[in-house]
Order: sequence, then structure tokens, then C-alpha cells
Amino acid sequence: NAGVMQNPRHLVRRRGQEARLRCSPMKGHSHVYWYRQLPEEGLKFMVYLQKENIIDESGMPKERFSAEFPKEGPSILRIQQVVRGDSAAYFCASSPFEAYSNQPQHFGDGTRLSIL
Amino acid sequence: AQSVTQLGSHVSVSEGALVLLRCNYSSSVPPYLFWYVQYPNQGLQLLLKYTTGATLVKGINGFEAEFKKSETSFHLTKPSAHMSDAAEYFCAVSRLEDYGGSQGNLIFGKGTKLSVKP
Repeated sequence: NAGVMQNPRHLVRRRGQEARLRCSPMKGHSHVYWYRQLPEEGLKFMVYLQKENIIDESGMPKERFSAEFPKEGPSILRIQQVVRGDSAAYFCASSPFEAYSNQPQHFGDGTRLSIL
Repeated sequence: AQSVTQLGSHVSVSEGALVLLRCNYSSSVPPYLFWYVQYPNQGLQLLLKYTTGATLVKGINGFEAEFKKSETSFHLTKPSAHMSDAAEYFCAVSRLEDYGGSQGNLIFGKGTKLSVKP
């Protein structure tokens, strides 16, 4: 049973470019969460999605960041016009559709984004 | 609002010594609490969780944690450290109150890096 798959593992972009991060949840999971980890910091929640719906985006910056989880295919976190401060590790987690409130989230290995 | 505080950003122990990583939380509703471990350049792996029931929770790799409501604590312990335990450990609380009982996003502490000396 494959775990949460994130790609790419490492992504380098120049300032002003777009970064696109992908996350395929575990099989049978339809809840996806994105977190950002800055150096020496814990993970900070960004957005919570179910298939075709954004449930909570309270942690997303108001500009340049967007996320989607289409009916088919992986969840995408998109960062437009990247700046140096976007350099971080971005983690995706998933949980089952029939989620009881005590079901843990399963994490991917993250995408490390570096902005030149 | 819920929050998590991990005391000590770095903890160093000798191999075979007791490991104690501290976590305190604040929550207006009964919390669901988690400990995750992160090895370098990897994602987070669940060590253990507390939801309801027994307050002493046993996890993988010999770790356990005790939920103490009166102290709002969920400290992580292991009787005897092993070199392979060197990693960063995160305590987290689930934002139950925001989603009517279904699991919302996790609120993490800043993490504690554990070093194990031979």
C-alpha cells in the first residue's frame, strides 16, 4: 500500500517563476492537507482539501498561492511569482474518506523548494 | 484556540539513558494529541496518538506518552535511548473544534531535536 507520494522531492526556481508541487494521497484517502516547514520551525498548516473542494485555506498566504484537488489526479499546490521567502519544505498529508476524528494524517516526504 | 509548546529545541542524551521530550498544549475542548518523528530529509512518521481512553499511550520504537489533563501535558518518553532515535520530534494537537468533530488540520509545536551520544 503506497504511502503519500510527493513530487518533485527537490525543486529549484528563480525569483518570479512559478512552482508547482504535486501530492498523491494514500489509496482510499480523499482528504489532503498541505503544510509548510521553514528552517528551525515546526510545520504550519496551509490548506485542507477534499476532492474538488477547499475546506479550509486559512493558512494560505492571500496572494500568489493556490491549491486544488481535482476529481482525478493529484493535489497541486501552486506558487506564482516565487520570492526568496518561499524557500521551505512543503509537506502533504492525507487521511481516509471515512475519517473518524482520531484518524492520524499520513505524511509524504515533502518537496524542498529553493528559490535562487 | 489551540496551541502546542515544546520545551527545549535541542535535547542530548547518552545511549541507554532515559529520553524525555516535553509537550504542553492548550485547548478549549478535549484534545487529540500526536507525536511525530522526522528523520533528515524525510516526512513525518506517526509515533503515537492519544484520543480517548487510557492516558498512557504506547507507540512504535519503544516510545510512550502520558496524557495528563491537569497539567495539560503530553510528554514523550523512552526508557533507553538508541543511536537510531536521533531525529526531530514534533508534538501536535488536532483542531477538532473547527470541523464539528471531524479531523481538521494539525497544530504543531516547533519541534525538539534529539541527539544521542555514544
